[in-house]
Amino acid sequence: DIVMTQSPDSLPVSLGERATINCRSSQSLFHSSNNKNYLAWFQQKPGQPPKLLIYWASTRASGVPDRFSGSGSGTDFTLTISSLQAEDVAVYYCQQYSYTLYFGQGTKLEIK
Amino acid sequence: QVQLQESGPGLVKPSETLSLTCTVSGSSLNIYYWTWIRQTPQKGLEWIGYMYDTGTAGYNPSLKSRVTISIDTSKNQFSLELRSVTAADTALYYCVRGDDVGLSDWGQGTLVTVSS
Repeated sequence: DIVMTQSPDSLPVSLGERATINCRSSQSLFHSSNNKNYLAWFQQKPGQPPKLLIYWASTRASGVPDRFSGSGSGTDFTLTISSLQAEDVAVYYCQQYSYTLYFGQGTKLEIK
Repeated sequence: QVQLQESGPGLVKPSETLSLTCTVSGSSLNIYYWTWIRQTPQKGLEWIGYMYDTGTAGYNPSLKSRVTISIDTSKNQFSLELRSVTAADTALYYCVRGDDVGLSDWGQGTLVTVSS
């Protein structure tokens, strides 16, 4: 099984500041057949299902603000929010979709 | 605009079978893969399994022996059966549409409680 580990578990950030969430996979998520990393990021607000933010590790889903960005390759990935807005308070999950669909444990982003 | 709606009993007795159905509107079942995911405070988001309309499927190894996912293209529905449930199967269950960019469309989820 591929194990996804996020850090930190909780992240307090001031409004307007940068937020960085890390995700590590126990196996490489890079597929040489199409040069893509099978890593996604989700945002979940209370009472709502998760929302796809980023796919292929760095491609924003439709309608996602450009303050959200994803980076990384292989086993180490990062989600960055360049300037935290109040509406960004949520739990963020990374997820690999390389034949299986395991999630990280989540990172709770809050206002400092 | 695709919509997914979970339905089924909200309460299941221990050792019995949990059965849920997801009704899909605004999308055919072709091309995509159809997934069940559950969420608990203890384990977070847990993948249960997925299936294509072709019958190709993948299951979480930790649940595989108890799970069946099926697709009914005539009704535009897919279903989950989870056998021999225990309290540990109490969760919010989501049905999700997947494509080559990942899990792009989610139902609102349905809470299932396992209790006598």
